[in-house]
Amino acid sequence: AQKVTQAQTEISVVEKEDVTLDCVYETRDTTYYLFWYKQPPSGELVFLIRRNSFDEQNEISGRYSWNFQKSTSSFNFTITASQVVDSAVYFCALKGSNYQLIWGAGTKLIIKP
Amino acid sequence: NAGVTQTPKFQVLKTGQSMTLQCAQDMNHNSMYWYRQDPGMGLRLIYYSASEGTTDKGEVPNGYNVSRLNKREFSLRLESAAPSQTSVYFCASSESRQHNQPQHFGDGTRLSIL
Repeated sequence: AQKVTQAQTEISVVEKEDVTLDCVYETRDTTYYLFWYKQPPSGELVFLIRRNSFDEQNEISGRYSWNFQKSTSSFNFTITASQVVDSAVYFCALKGSNYQLIWGAGTKLIIKP
Repeated sequence: NAGVTQTPKFQVLKTGQSMTLQCAQDMNHNSMYWYRQDPGMGLRLIYYSASEGTTDKGEVPNGYNVSRLNKREFSLRLESAAPSQTSVYFCASSESRQHNQPQHFGDGTRLSIL
């Protein structure tokens, strides 16, 4: 069975702090993809990044960075120097051999000014 | 760029009423999906259409039907609405079902069943 766990239900930090959102996944597939999506208060879902199971290189995009570690089945997301506009619910998702996206429950991130 | 368009954005129904949620994409994508999002949970797949002319059940298909009208449009029908179907419904599309294809989402339909 495939599963995605985002243990942090809600995180609250003060603007400019760094924050890491955790994602742990379970799968028996050898080929799979991991995704992060952002859902701002307006409600839409915005694709942020994908990572395949054969590429463990970390990725940085501006203030965002992602750390993929197969050894711990984790795909964590860090926001550096957080801003109020980063406030949103962030979802981690897994796509394996059945081609269906399995979603975590999401982490609500609150950035206080 | 419209992307994925869902209508309506909000709807209130009475138990037992029927309703069709509409979804259209203008990205020439082959695959389309319907999800529901409930508080404290991730999205759950209701139905998907890997390509025009095909539809398949997802994780929570009971109480729903779908129609892939053409490549652009994928509708979700509730034949006899129940309070348990109160949720936010998202339509999504992707170039294909393949692993690496991200899904692009509409803005959602907030549906309340009284």
